[in-house]
Amino acid sequence: EAQVTQNPRYLITVTGKKLTVTCSQNMNHEYMSWYRQDPGLGLRQIYYSMNVEVTDKGDVPEGYKVSRKEKRNFPLILESPSPNQTSLYFCASSPRREHSGNTIYFGEGSWLTVV
Amino acid sequence: AQSVSQHNHHVILSEAASLELGCNYSYGGTVNLFWYVQYPGQHLQLLLKYFSGDPLVKGIKGFEAEFIKSKFSFNLRKPSVQWSDTAEYFCAVYGNNRLAFGKGNQVVVIP
Repeated sequence: EAQVTQNPRYLITVTGKKLTVTCSQNMNHEYMSWYRQDPGLGLRQIYYSMNVEVTDKGDVPEGYKVSRKEKRNFPLILESPSPNQTSLYFCASSPRREHSGNTIYFGEGSWLTVV
Repeated sequence: AQSVSQHNHHVILSEAASLELGCNYSYGGTVNLFWYVQYPGQHLQLLLKYFSGDPLVKGIKGFEAEFIKSKFSFNLRKPSVQWSDTAEYFCAVYGNNRLAFGKGNQVVVIP
């Protein structure tokens, strides 16, 4: 079954404690990206990757890091989380670097609370 | 960079009423346009998409959208909503290797 898997789905952490949200897709997609969803702001792109070892900033990259060492994985790293990073995070993948006409697959979301 | 505007963030309507959600985008190149729906507690699901051809696009669950290039719009419509259409709806535009979302429309359908 084609899917994008995120872990953890729910996490409460403390300010400053490094954490990683993993994202894995089983469809051999080139393109992967991370979004955060906040009430009234919609989804905003954090980082995206067009292929292995190719990553670029989205609209709100501050406070986040990513890596793309393998095609299937695209972890989101919060080196020193702060309360303003409390949000719902979505990972997405697509068959090509252009989403044009292709289905974009979203993970089920990761609820992150930073206290 | 591209951007998307959605108006009337909160919409409340009764079952069988018609729904129209506005979406305006700004982008100078060829665009690919999407509407996504997010039911409570769930992830995003694709309702419909436009990338070329007939500007009137039909999607799942009886939704349709019309691309009007001159107005930079891609409005979503459904003639008769059901309680199960209660959800948040997002318009998105793809361009320059990035997918930009609008802020969403929270739609509540009252039985």
